[in-house]
Amino acid sequence: QKEVEQNSGPLSVPEGAIASLNCTYSDRGSQSFFWYRQYSGKSPELIMFIYSNGDKEDGRFTAQLNKASQYVSLLIRDSQPSDSATYLCARGGGFKTIFGAGTRLFVKA
Amino acid sequence: EAGVAQSPRYKIIEKRQSVAFWCNPISGHATLYWYQQILGQGPKLLIQFQNNGVVDDSQLPKDRFSAERLKGVDSTLKIQPAKLEDSAVYLCASSQRGLAGGNNEQFFGPGTRLTVL
Repeated sequence: QKEVEQNSGPLSVPEGAIASLNCTYSDRGSQSFFWYRQYSGKSPELIMFIYSNGDKEDGRFTAQLNKASQYVSLLIRDSQPSDSATYLCARGGGFKTIFGAGTRLFVKA
Repeated sequence: EAGVAQSPRYKIIEKRQSVAFWCNPISGHATLYWYQQILGQGPKLLIQFQNNGVVDDSQLPKDRFSAERLKGVDSTLKIQPAKLEDSAVYLCASSQRGLAGGNNEQFFGPGTRLTVL
């Protein structure tokens, strides 16, 4: 079992829709999670981090953490073609940072 | 504020040759990371430095890979000898703190794309 698992996709959504990206993890002791966006040929850039159960909102992005069920999700509201990228979920926060393989998102205009 | 710098950006070598990558982190960042990202996969941590000490190198193939961070600033990653499976993008990242928990946001450099023929 991989420590951080993501569906590789691709996930395709129409412009203006909500994109939902999911991530599960195996270590119950994991504390913090990060969502990075990576455009093709570019380096990852941080979108959000979350370490408390529940939701955290930042603009069009909402991260959700459920420690009991060991999953993290990222919702992107009003998806734009510029959101088309690979989204990487990472476990961090005092532990060795472990990245998932990423989910490719395509937003169709 | 200048970002994480890496060089070279691209490198093509033949198998069994050696290669070195250089990274200059964001000024003041104590923690430096080297990742290997193979096409279609997420970044895999190779080594993590806290200042000039190694925190984690459990996934570094030590028979061929080596890394150092002299004076707790710049870092170099070396591969000797290279294998075909080493073809990947090598990413350097830095953060203000790595072990204190909480938000240890990592800032990534542009990466070095290595092709081993």
